[in-house]
Amino acid sequence: EADIYQTPRYLVIGTGKKITLECSQTMGHDKMYWYQQDPGMELHLIHYSYGVNSTEKGDLSSESTVSRIRTEHFPLTLESARPSHTSQYLCASSSFGGTSSEDTQYFGPGTRLTVL
Amino acid sequence: SQKIEQNSEALNIQEGKTATLTCNYTNYSPAYLQWYRQDPGRGPVFLLLIRENEKEKRKERLKVTFDTTLKQSLFHITASQPADSATYLCALSQGGGYQKVTFGIGTKLQVIP
Repeated sequence: EADIYQTPRYLVIGTGKKITLECSQTMGHDKMYWYQQDPGMELHLIHYSYGVNSTEKGDLSSESTVSRIRTEHFPLTLESARPSHTSQYLCASSSFGGTSSEDTQYFGPGTRLTVL
Repeated sequence: SQKIEQNSEALNIQEGKTATLTCNYTNYSPAYLQWYRQDPGRGPVFLLLIRENEKEKRKERLKVTFDTTLKQSLFHITASQPADSATYLCALSQGGGYQKVTFGIGTKLQVIP
């Protein structure tokens, strides 16, 4: 079992609210990711980070923002939630670039977000 | 454009048989390929990685093959068990400085007792 944690696991919230999804890992990995996945659909990369103070947008455009102030912590924020943001959000980390030349990713359990 | 194809239809197989899942890709020159398992409502779990210069990799009841000429990987589970029921994702990376990993949609495997 990978040491990567996400909270909350489930979140139901009204339109217009600001939310932060938490992700923490205790493996000392430099690289972290956020994916969005709808039921039965593929994973879409929305943000990634190579390390502290590094954040990049992924392949899928997202209105969310991320920050990386500490190695172990990579929170995702939505300033104003909308029903179109309803999805599952998965956080992952990897040791690529540090101790590994291959990007094997360790995923958290995910946050199921529902915006009413 | 780059594309990863996995059979999006569910694969049903009898317990004890060998399950074979396929991952095809186009417009890609992957440095390595990975297989992950995903259970409903959970994040994917890494299973196996195979490099472009490797033909086959094994781990317990799992076997992966990688044919860069056919642009295909096969994932086998021998002596399948109901506990193997899950969605299996193929993921490719081209390597290099920024090793973008792209995931396929996955194939749902159902092992029937």
